[in-house]
Amino acid sequence: SQTIHQWPATLVQPVGSPLSLECTVEGTSNPNLYWYRQAAGRGLQLLFYSVGIGQISSEVPQNLSASRPQDRQFILSSKKLLLSDSGFYLCAWISRGGSYGYTFGSGTRLTVV
Amino acid sequence: GESVGLHLPTLSVQEGDNSIINCAYSNSASDYFIWYKQESGKGPQFIIDIRSNMDKRQGQRVTVLLNKTVKHLSLQIAATQPGDSAVYFCAERKTSYDKVIFGPGTSLSVIP
Repeated sequence: SQTIHQWPATLVQPVGSPLSLECTVEGTSNPNLYWYRQAAGRGLQLLFYSVGIGQISSEVPQNLSASRPQDRQFILSSKKLLLSDSGFYLCAWISRGGSYGYTFGSGTRLTVV
Repeated sequence: GESVGLHLPTLSVQEGDNSIINCAYSNSASDYFIWYKQESGKGPQFIIDIRSNMDKRQGQRVTVLLNKTVKHLSLQIAATQPGDSAVYFCAERKTSYDKVIFGPGTSLSVIP
């Protein structure tokens, strides 16, 4: 079966510290992968997407970066966190040509203090 | 710019009644329109989608209507239950890299 794993579930980090959030997909190959951020009580903003290993596209300028070192692994990073980086981060995947929208991970609640 | 937005930010309905959540979109360059349900602290969950060349699609207790003339999308939930309480997002999927753009969401509250 196809599953998506995202960790950690919650994270509290001080301003200026680094960040690494990991997302892995199982049961599929060559998926399109996406990182979204959701501010409290708001909609989802697309941050990055990847159509293959080493291929990253950024949707909005920001303090974050993404990498895809393996086909089913997608990593969201920051060298120095800002207070404004707080939010709910969601990883999602879609199979090529799929018509059922995304499957989302369970999300990481990041609080920068 | 392109956007997908909702008319009503909150909606309260009596248990057993039908719910209708509306959404307006401004960009027609999408192949699918999708509804997601998000419960507190969880990731969005796919409910139903509709291809852009269709005007109606039915699922289990849910119906999505697409009016391309006025660029309007709606989600109808029949016999609303307490478990339907959540935030609902409409979204459109772009043909380019399958990117999905979300609207701001509307909160559905079911009154027992």
